[in-house]
Amino acid sequence: AQSVTQLGSHVSVSEGALVLLRCNYSSSVPPYLFWYVQYPNQGLQLLLKYTSAATLVKGINDFEAEFKKSETSFHLTKPSAHMSDAAEYFCAVISNTDKLIFGTGTRLQVFP
Amino acid sequence: DTGVSQNPRHKITKRGQNVTFRCDPISEHNRLYWYRQTLGQGPEFLTYFQNEAQLEKSRLLSDRFSAERPKGSFSTLEIQRTEQGDSAMYLCASSPGGRWDEKLFFGSGTQLSVL
Repeated sequence: AQSVTQLGSHVSVSEGALVLLRCNYSSSVPPYLFWYVQYPNQGLQLLLKYTSAATLVKGINDFEAEFKKSETSFHLTKPSAHMSDAAEYFCAVISNTDKLIFGTGTRLQVFP
Repeated sequence: DTGVSQNPRHKITKRGQNVTFRCDPISEHNRLYWYRQTLGQGPEFLTYFQNEAQLEKSRLLSDRFSAERPKGSFSTLEIQRTEQGDSAMYLCASSPGGRWDEKLFFGSGTQLSVL
């Protein structure tokens, strides 16, 4: 069965610093992987997705993620954090019955 | 395209009462999903519909839970005899469908509090 594990339930960075949110996956088949963001009192929004094309995936708001099969990882990065990036971030994988399976989430705090 | 709409946004109820939530998907999206999210956890899959057919139900969906999508458009999720453990955010999502659903659009959710 497919699953994802997000390491670190909370991450704090200073404004302008690198953002790194970790996600490791488990899948017996080539996975389809996603990152979603959830701002307070809003629904989940798709940041980016990996669908077996390029291993480096670029998303909205300068976020990107790299698929590394050897490490079974799909970490999310952003070169320079903004205050507006403060939110909850979820890694997700498509299951073998075509539904999204989410990780437990990482709350990102950005300090001025 | 007005997005996925969920009502109500908040619901407070007493233990033992029945509650019903509504989800209006994006027009012409034939797949509709229900997820539940508790504090500190990611969304957990409950059930989904392809048009009016309910195709899969999670083991999380006890007999007290029932979901319908009578005409393949809006959907309702009813919880009977609510328990405190039912307190959570209930999320609805819709997609155009296809072999796998990479484009799920989520609503803002209904926050249920059972006292």
